[in-house]
Order: sequence, then structure tokens, then C-alpha cells
Amino acid sequence: GAVVSQHPSWVICKSGTSVKIECRSLDFQATTMFWYRQFPKQSLMLMATSNEGSKATYEQGVEKDKFLINHASLTLSTLTVTSAHPEDSSFYICSKSRGSSYNEQFFGPGTRLTVL
Amino acid sequence: QQPVQSPQAVILREGEDAVINCSSSKALYSVHWYRQKHGEAPVFLMILLKGGEQKGHDKISASFNEKKQQSSLYLTASQLSYSGTYFCGTEKAAAGNKLTFGGGTRVLVKP
Repeated sequence: GAVVSQHPSWVICKSGTSVKIECRSLDFQATTMFWYRQFPKQSLMLMATSNEGSKATYEQGVEKDKFLINHASLTLSTLTVTSAHPEDSSFYICSKSRGSSYNEQFFGPGTRLTVL
Repeated sequence: QQPVQSPQAVILREGEDAVINCSSSKALYSVHWYRQKHGEAPVFLMILLKGGEQKGHDKISASFNEKKQQSSLYLTASQLSYSGTYFCGTEKAAAGNKLTFGGGTRVLVKP
């Protein structure tokens, strides 16, 4: 299957700091990548769609100024959680697909964020 | 709109069968099934696109009803490796592969 990497695997930070999470497509180029958040024992909730070379599309209720997404190249999307607070502690997962509908999504291994 | 999955959890003995359902009040564009083990990324199982479609791999299969409002995932002769949380994901028409996931079904297969 296709390969997606995320870095870091986990991060612990103090409240008020910013954290950057990287998502890399290691095989095919991905013009579109997706960012999900998953709280313990809950489902994956789509946060935003990351588009290479243009602005990300955020889902309703997701603060675009708090969760900054940059998709500067066809193989890298980054999510920055700005001024993180304990309620932002979660499992953040990115995914990619081959672009159009009907295609499976390939998920990264996830990043566990803990904000103290 | 989030699809509804049932049951929320199921415990099986190795070799037993189970069915997981995924329902929507409106016709779906497609249904994706994924399995996630604790602390890991979801892994793709299969996609169903057409009403009445059925497909499978090894002893895991799925169906999509004619109205495209319900999909079922069948675990047959379950193995210990089938343990995990199963999610169905649905696409809206022309949403560019954007998925909305159901609440998940936790499956535990015991020896």
C-alpha cells in the first residue's frame, strides 16, 4: 500500500506553545491530503482538507487560525496547533488518496499530542 | 451527516461470526471500511460503490444494499487478528474523496 509518514509520533508540550506536525507522502505525489483528529475511544473527525498550493478547506467548527495548515509541496503537508491548550490533546492523523472520489485513503501512523 | 454504526462493541470467540452495520438516512455515494488497532492508523479494508454490491477478501466481506443507505461488514470464522475498531466512512457526492466516519465498532476476538 501507499506510504504516509508523520512526524513526530508523539509530543508533549506546555499550554500556550505551538506544535507543528508533518505529514509526508513517501511514494506518490498528493495534491490533496486530509487532517483528522481522534479523541480516545471516539471516531475520526475530519478537520480540514489540505490542498497543495492553495488554502486549506476547514470543516465547520474547526478554527482555521488555531489549526494552521500548509501544503507547500506535493509530498508535504503540515499542521500547526497554535497556542495549544489541554483540550487540544488528541491523536492527529493525516491521510492521502489518489485524488478523486472512490479511492481508498492511506493513513499516516498518527501523532499523539499531549498538552500539559 | 455521520453514518450510524451498530453494534458499538462485540466480543467473539475465535471462529465465530459477526456482522457490523453502517446506516444513513440518505443514499450514500460510496462506503469505505477501515480497521484500526489501538494506537495505530486505520487500515483500508474495502470500498463499495454500487447498490447491491458485495465483495470480500479472505473471510471479511461487505455488502451495500440496493438503496445505498446501508452497508454491512461480515467477519466470518473470526481470527484473533480481527480484533480492533472498525469504522465505516461515507463520501458525499462530488466531495472529492472527503470521508465522514461512523462512530466505530470495537471488536474483541478471544481465544
